[in-house]
Amino acid sequence: DAKTTQPNSMESNEEEPVHLPCNHSTISGTDYIHWYRQLPSQGPEYVIHGLTSNVNNRMASLAIAEDRKSSTLILHRATLRDAAVYYCILRDSSGAGSYQLTFGKGTKLSVIP
Amino acid sequence: DGGITQSPKYLFRKEGQNVTLSCEQNLNHDAMYWYRQDPGQGLRLIYYSQIVNDFQKGDIAEGYSVSREKKESFPLTVTSAQKNPTAFYLCASTKDRGPSPLHFGNGTRLTVT
Repeated sequence: DAKTTQPNSMESNEEEPVHLPCNHSTISGTDYIHWYRQLPSQGPEYVIHGLTSNVNNRMASLAIAEDRKSSTLILHRATLRDAAVYYCILRDSSGAGSYQLTFGKGTKLSVIP
Repeated sequence: DGGITQSPKYLFRKEGQNVTLSCEQNLNHDAMYWYRQDPGQGLRLIYYSQIVNDFQKGDIAEGYSVSREKKESFPLTVTSAQKNPTAFYLCASTKDRGPSPLHFGNGTRLTVT
């Protein structure tokens, strides 16, 4: 499985943009990049995903490097409710690919009022 | 509303007893997963199932067992062979590979004393 690397923790001031990085240097052409976030004592929730192009939704934006070896989750205006652990994972879309999904430790985002 | 239901939310057992955690989904998803999470750690994959009557071991399957007799249900049994069973257990499901998001339940916190 292609693996991802994220910083253990980051801090942001409330109402400022946050850029959460993820490195995936061994990504294959059929891997989608997914982001999830987990609040304390809850299951992770889906945030956004992409393949090659940058993506935007109501929660966040995903910027994908041209060589696809890294990506950045962008929260445009951090709120206290965005304080969570953010996970970046790769999901293989090929017919021969495994369904096995591996999560790392993610990035714990703290938002300072 | 469609979703994943894990029950119970909290579970207490004595050491040496087997215990079964429930996971039910009404999303018509083919693939289902069980993860274990310890305090301050990421998610570790226990078992996953791509279709009914088929499942594969994840990274930490020892001391656990599963069944997948129905598409909607993927129960996890924590056996007495599991050395450190106290943890937060998360169930997830997804429609297929690649772009399909994972949907998580809200977890079961198991305490074994």
